Amino acid sequence: ETGVTQTPRHLVMGMTNKKSLKCEQHLGHNAMYWYKQSAKKPLELMFVYSLEERVENNSVPSRFSPECPNSSHLFLHLHTLQPEDSALYLCASSHITQDRGHSNEKLFFGSGTQLSVL
Amino acid sequence: KQEVTQIPAALSVPEGENLVLNCSFTDSAIYNLQWFRQDPGKGLTSLLLIQSSQREQTSGRLNASLDKSSGRSTLYIAASQPGDSATYLCAVGGEGQGGSEKLVFGKGTKLTVNP
Repeated sequence: ETGVTQTPRHLVMGMTNKKSLKCEQHLGHNAMYWYKQSAKKPLELMFVYSLEERVENNSVPSRFSPECPNSSHLFLHLHTLQPEDSALYLCASSHITQDRGHSNEKLFFGSGTQLSVL
Repeated sequence: KQEVTQIPAALSVPEGENLVLNCSFTDSAIYNLQWFRQDPGKGLTSLLLIQSSQREQTSGRLNASLDKSSGRSTLYIAASQPGDSATYLCAVGGEGQGGSEKLVFGKGTKLTVNP
């Protein structure tokens, strides 16, 4: 166990459905991330929340909507997805030191949600 | 734009062999470099983190080196075991938006250690 828990582990949805992915970290970290891992491609950063404020949005389509209600929880709301959005969605957390503004500690990942869009 | 390349894409070795995985990156302005392990269908586990001011880090049978000026890192695995079979990912940390950190990943090297 890495201290980062993602649910559900697997999700199959139609293009008209609305669903949410959930991530919870028990490590006392102050930054949380969503990554997308597609077959044959490197992990792609989607969103970063630092101290509960979204600080990175990597040109992600609006059909993906993140939410970070507190430093321990992160959601990814999905609606009207496309088949090419099928991928492994990974949540991660780390500790960011304010004086440097970046993390010099390891990134801890959840096990991911394997999403299939039909 | 930072780009990370890992060579080889796949590697198959007999048990007990020492091996080296390679990672190269195009922009030397990095905060750190991390090596991760990923088992099939699972998340990533951080193995080693090297700060930009460091040259290497060691953990057990693993040793990672960093040469920032040449944009290269290696992960050395000693006395490989079948349990080491996994995909190994290299990621470099640099500045993201709003002062946050952004990790850029390579595609990984899929390692198979045969008994």
